[in-house]
Order: sequence, then structure tokens, then C-alpha cells
Amino acid sequence: AQSVTQPDIHITVSEGASLELRCNYSYGATPYLFWYVQSPGQGLQLLLKYFSGDTLVQGIKGFEAEFKRSQSSFNLRKPSVHWSDAAEYFCAVGAGYGNKLVFGAGTILRVKS
Amino acid sequence: DVKVTQSSRYLVKRTGEKVFLECVQDMDHENMFWYRQDPGLGLRLIYFSYDVKMKEKGDIPEGYSVSREKKERFSLILESASTNQTSMYLCASRVRDRFSNQPQHFGDGTRLSIL
Repeated sequence: AQSVTQPDIHITVSEGASLELRCNYSYGATPYLFWYVQSPGQGLQLLLKYFSGDTLVQGIKGFEAEFKRSQSSFNLRKPSVHWSDAAEYFCAVGAGYGNKLVFGAGTILRVKS
Repeated sequence: DVKVTQSSRYLVKRTGEKVFLECVQDMDHENMFWYRQDPGLGLRLIYFSYDVKMKEKGDIPEGYSVSREKKERFSLILESASTNQTSMYLCASRVRDRFSNQPQHFGDGTRLSIL
């Protein structure tokens, strides 16, 4: 069965510092991978997605993610964090007919000034 | 832009009540989904629908049912609400795509409290 692990429940970074959020997946076939962000009281917004091809994908708001098949990882990065990036981030793998998403438990990002 | 609208942002109901959560999308998407979000558990799929009147159970369907009479509307029904169904409920839609590479688009969620 598909599964997604986000090892970090909470992460705190200083404004302007770099960010990396970890995501490991388990899926038998070629994965379709997504990162979503959720601001307080809001729904989920798609940051970026990976289907095939270039393993480094660019997303909105200056985020990027790198797919590493050998490590079953899809880590999210940003070179310089802004206070407005404080939110909860979810990694997900698309599985089976209809793209039923399997989500990780989420990582809450706090940004300190 | 795709717009997925959930009828209520906050809802308070009593144990034993029948509760309806409504979701409407405006992009003619075939696939629609209901998720439940709880702290530390991420999002878990309750039901999804791949066409009008078609539905399939997700990972946690117990205590829930769904209705899809029109393509744009997908309703989640709590037949007899219980306190353990207090949660955030998120609706999503996506275009039908057999290769699973199109993203889901989410509504803002309904925070449901069962007293």
C-alpha cells in the first residue's frame, strides 16, 4: 500500500534562512508526487507536482522540490523563507485510478523574525 | 482558476443528528473527493466519486455516505453524527485523468463540531 512519511512534525526557521522539508514515500510504481500548503483556516493550495522527466521541479512562491528515486524522497526547499511562508505543508502521492491522494501527516513551519 | 466551494466554514451539530456537508465545483470536473483532516494524521480519504451517481469508498467510510446527483455537486452525509466525527472536512475535485498526473483542487474546508 502507498504511504507517505513526513518525519518532522514542526520546524522553526529564521526569516531569510533556507528551508528543507522532508518527504519519503512508498509506492510500487512510478510515483506522482505533490506538495500542498495550508494556511490557517484555509484549504490546500498546490505548490508543485512531479510526474516524470526533470527531477528538480519548480513551484509557486519560490519553492522547489527534488525527486530522488533511490532514496524514495521528494524534499521541498526554499532558499530564503519569508514570514508569510508560515503554514502547514503536506506531501502526497497520487495512487491508482482517479488519483486518490495519500497524504503525509504534515509539517508545521514556524518562521521567527 | 478552479473554484471549489464548501457551503459552510463552521458547523455545530448535536450527537445523533443527520448532517449534510455540501461541495460545489465550477470546472466540470469528473472526479470529486471528501477528506477528513485531523492533527497528526494528515488528510484521510472518506469517499470519492468519479462520475454522476458513481462513488467509491476511501480509507475511512464508516459512519459516512455520499451523494452525487449532479456533476458539480458532491455531498457528504453523516447519518447519525457522533462526537468522534468532530473534524475538519475538505472537498476536492479534479479532471478525469487515467494517468493520475493532474492535481486535486481543494475547497477551504468545513470545521464541524459535534456536541
